[in-house]
Amino acid sequence: EVHLVESGGGLVQPGGSLRLSCAASGFTFSSYWMSWVRQAPGKGLEWVANMNQDGSEKYYVGSVKGRFTISRDNAKNSLYLQMNSLRAEDTAVYYCARRQGGSGSPFDYWGQGTLVTVSS
Amino acid sequence: EIVLTQSPGTLSLSPGERATLSCRASQSVSSSYLAWYQQKPGQAPRLLIYGASSRASGIPDRFSGSGSGTDFTLTISRLEPEDFAVYYCQQFGTNFGQGTKLEIK
Repeated sequence: EVHLVESGGGLVQPGGSLRLSCAASGFTFSSYWMSWVRQAPGKGLEWVANMNQDGSEKYYVGSVKGRFTISRDNAKNSLYLQMNSLRAEDTAVYYCARRQGGSGSPFDYWGQGTLVTVSS
Repeated sequence: EIVLTQSPGTLSLSPGERATLSCRASQSVSSSYLAWYQQKPGQAPRLLIYGASSRASGIPDRFSGSGSGTDFTLTISRLEPEDFAVYYCQQFGTNFGQGTKLEIK
């Protein structure tokens, strides 16, 4: 059974940094594109970042480019999101999600999410 | 950037009724990359439909998707109590619509 478990969320001050992790199990992690998707409180879904199987392709939504970095460790079956220069508008539940196929394919499995709150 | 607009914003129906949810794109999108998700309060989204009309694994056949070009539809043929949730469309694995809340009338 596929499992994705996020961790690393919490309260951080504006301008601060946080690193999210996603532990994957139940599938061959190294064979899939992986992504981060976020949801601000009471709002809709927003795709944040994508990474291909070997990490050679990375894509970001415009609002986080230059501040967030997606990475993965296939040996540890883990996905990461390094978030720097955090802003109040980055406050959201962050989900790790597996892509069904290539870079444009939908998300067929999601983690339960981890809450990031940016506030002074 | 392609913008997805979902309508209505809120849909109030009773169990047993038919639900029709719309997703309109600002320009033509490939049906291959149009997906629908269901999200219940406090839960992660769940993939319902991909490729505009293919049901994801384990999704009941009362859920169906259709459409092409700029207009796509999610239909729930006969609403069950567990179907009341928020529904999102998505294109090319990135842009999401703003969601339609399906509530019990």
